[in-house]
Amino acid sequence: DTAVSQTPKYLVTQMGNDKSIKCEQNLGHDTMYWYKQDSKKFLKIMFSYNNKELIINETVPNRFSPKSPDKAHLNLHINSLELGDSAVYFCASSQGSRGSGANVLTFGAGSRLTVL
Amino acid sequence: SQQGEEDPQALSIQEGENATMNCSYKTSINNLQWYRQNSGRGLVHLILIRSNEREKHSGRLRVTLDTSKKSSSLLITASRAADTASYFCATRGAGSYQLTFGKGTKLSVIP
Repeated sequence: DTAVSQTPKYLVTQMGNDKSIKCEQNLGHDTMYWYKQDSKKFLKIMFSYNNKELIINETVPNRFSPKSPDKAHLNLHINSLELGDSAVYFCASSQGSRGSGANVLTFGAGSRLTVL
Repeated sequence: SQQGEEDPQALSIQEGENATMNCSYKTSINNLQWYRQNSGRGLVHLILIRSNEREKHSGRLRVTLDTSKKSSSLLITASRAADTASYFCATRGAGSYQLTFGKGTKLSVIP
């Protein structure tokens, strides 16, 4: 069984469209994250939720909105897609949010978004 | 803010040789971790070293941490072609929610 699963794996869309990426973890972890990896492999945190509560909200455009219906799911919705949004988006999870339990991240396989 | 910076950016070695990658960071940390990313895949956790530790081993991996120099190194001994991947260091500040990644070292092991 996949521990952290993201869908879709590939997404090709036109500028201006709205799209969503879904993430689910079956590890029983309390905290989930979205990271963006650009073409130079730079990995940047976007959001983090702990038990459905937003705890990290880095400087990202308002067009990006995370939603966590329960602690096993964290979805990412992107409005009005732009060329610069093209990247690989990674979902991850960890046990706890601070302290020893928050130390190790388990990543999904990534969702490659291409905006044309 | 960007925390870890790996060095070198790319490394190419022959199978059987050792590979050493370095990571420098800027602020105080609670722990430092190394992750591997195979091409087209997600990151996989390799090893964690806490701020009060100086060296840690896991199989063919050896990690050192020098908090006075704010630096860490990852040594992979007797490398294999399957070790070909990008390696990232990541730091967690004291009391921080956030794990901040460096830009990675791309390792190529030639059979």
